[in-house]
Amino acid sequence: QKEVEQNSGPLSVPEGAIASLNCTYSDRGSQSFFWYRQYSGKSPELIMFIYSNGDKEDGRFTAQLNKASQYVSLLIRDSQPSDSATYLCAVIWRRALTFGSGTRLQVQP
Amino acid sequence: DTAVSQTPKYLVTQMGNDKSIKCEQNLGHDTMYWYKQDSKKFLKIMFSYNNKELIINETVPNRFSPKSPDKAHLNLHINSLELGDSAVYFCASSVGQEYNEQFFGPGTRLTVL
Repeated sequence: QKEVEQNSGPLSVPEGAIASLNCTYSDRGSQSFFWYRQYSGKSPELIMFIYSNGDKEDGRFTAQLNKASQYVSLLIRDSQPSDSATYLCAVIWRRALTFGSGTRLQVQP
Repeated sequence: DTAVSQTPKYLVTQMGNDKSIKCEQNLGHDTMYWYKQDSKKFLKIMFSYNNKELIINETVPNRFSPKSPDKAHLNLHINSLELGDSAVYFCASSVGQEYNEQFFGPGTRLTVL
C-alpha cells in the first residue's frame, strides 16, 4: 500500500475556476503535511504546509486536513494558466518527506 | 545567492562508469537529503544527513554512497552505473527533519547509456 495517494490527472479547469486537488495517506500517525508545486523540468517548491485539522488559507490557496479520514486537499481559487503544474502532496514519514505521485493541473485560458 | 545548488545539471555517461553529483546549501540548514525522481515523476527519498550524520538510508543499492564533508555539503557517488539509474536526482535541505520546509536544488538529470 502506497503511503501517499493522489490522482495523477490531468485535472483540467477553466481560468478563474476553483481547482481542487486531493490526497490520502496511510500512516495514521502522520503529523505534518505539505503541498509542493513542480513545473516541468524544475524542482519542487513549497506552496503550503498544514499540521492541524481544518483549513489553512494563504492567498488563493487553501489547504484542508482531516486526520480522521486521513485526507488532505488543496484548493486553488481563481485559477490562472500559470498555476498549470504538477502538485505533489507529501507527508513526513520516518523523518523524511514521502511524496505522492502528483496531480497534473491544467488551467485553460 | 543560490540557496541549494547542484553540479552538474546534466550528466550523460556509459554503463559501468562511476560518477559523482555535488550539492551545496548556503541556508545554514543542518539537514540535507537526496531524492530520486524517476521517469514517471515519482519522487523518492534516498538518504538524509543531519549534522553530517546519516539519518535515513532507504532501500538503495550500495553502489550509491553519500558523503557529507560538512553541514553545507552532501555529495552522491554512484559506482558501476546501470541503465535504471537514469533519473533526476534532487538535493534538498531543511532546518531539522520533522516540521520544516525542505528547499530543493535544481536537480541533476542523469542519463546512463
